[in-house]
Amino acid sequence: DTGVSQDPRHKITKRGQNVTFRCDPISEHNRLYWYRQTLGQGPEFLTYFQNEAQLEKSRLLSDRFSAERPKGSFSTLEIQRTEQGDSAMYLCASSLGGGGRRAYEQYFGPGTRLTVT
Amino acid sequence: AQSVTQLDSQVPVFEEAPVELRCNYSSSVSVYLFWYVQYPNQGLQLLLKYLSGSTLVKGINGFEAEFNKSQTSFHLRKPSVHISDTAEYFCAVSITGGFKTIFGAGTRLFVKA
Repeated sequence: DTGVSQDPRHKITKRGQNVTFRCDPISEHNRLYWYRQTLGQGPEFLTYFQNEAQLEKSRLLSDRFSAERPKGSFSTLEIQRTEQGDSAMYLCASSLGGGGRRAYEQYFGPGTRLTVT
Repeated sequence: AQSVTQLDSQVPVFEEAPVELRCNYSSSVSVYLFWYVQYPNQGLQLLLKYLSGSTLVKGINGFEAEFNKSQTSFHLRKPSVHISDTAEYFCAVSITGGFKTIFGAGTRLFVKA
């Protein structure tokens, strides 16, 4: 168990550029979550997957944001035409599947810090 | 919709003193409740969770929390804190059986020597 990993850890981009982040969950976890965290705030839910199916998507996720998990393993979060307001920490988490008690334990990665200049 | 209010943005406390971090939630349906800790430059780590059963929940690092349905609260406590407990603490809620998790704004616990 190597934990949840995210790549890159830091990304600086110019306004209007597209960026893509990757998340590798814990291998036996089939649920994967994306959150956004701005300074001084708690994580805000963006979306979650069960295997390759995207089951819920926040209204915070505008048309410029898209997330995929094509093979039910790693996931990518893409932001198109970045804006300064997109500057934040993007967190990924994973959890076991099913409905047992441990399915509600989310394991978080270290995050990708995005700065839009 | 669910929401979480953490009543204190910062809590300074001396080492070995007790601490309580307060959390209230709002929901029209039954919920699951969580506390997570975030150390500087690290991801969040689950401290404890309430799903059902006993309303007093014990977690890692000596923390515990009590679910109070009538007061819609889930306060986190530790009888004696250490310098190493200095971190950001987040209360979170999800609807029963659901996986979308709503977090509070966080409480920064600062333990002084």
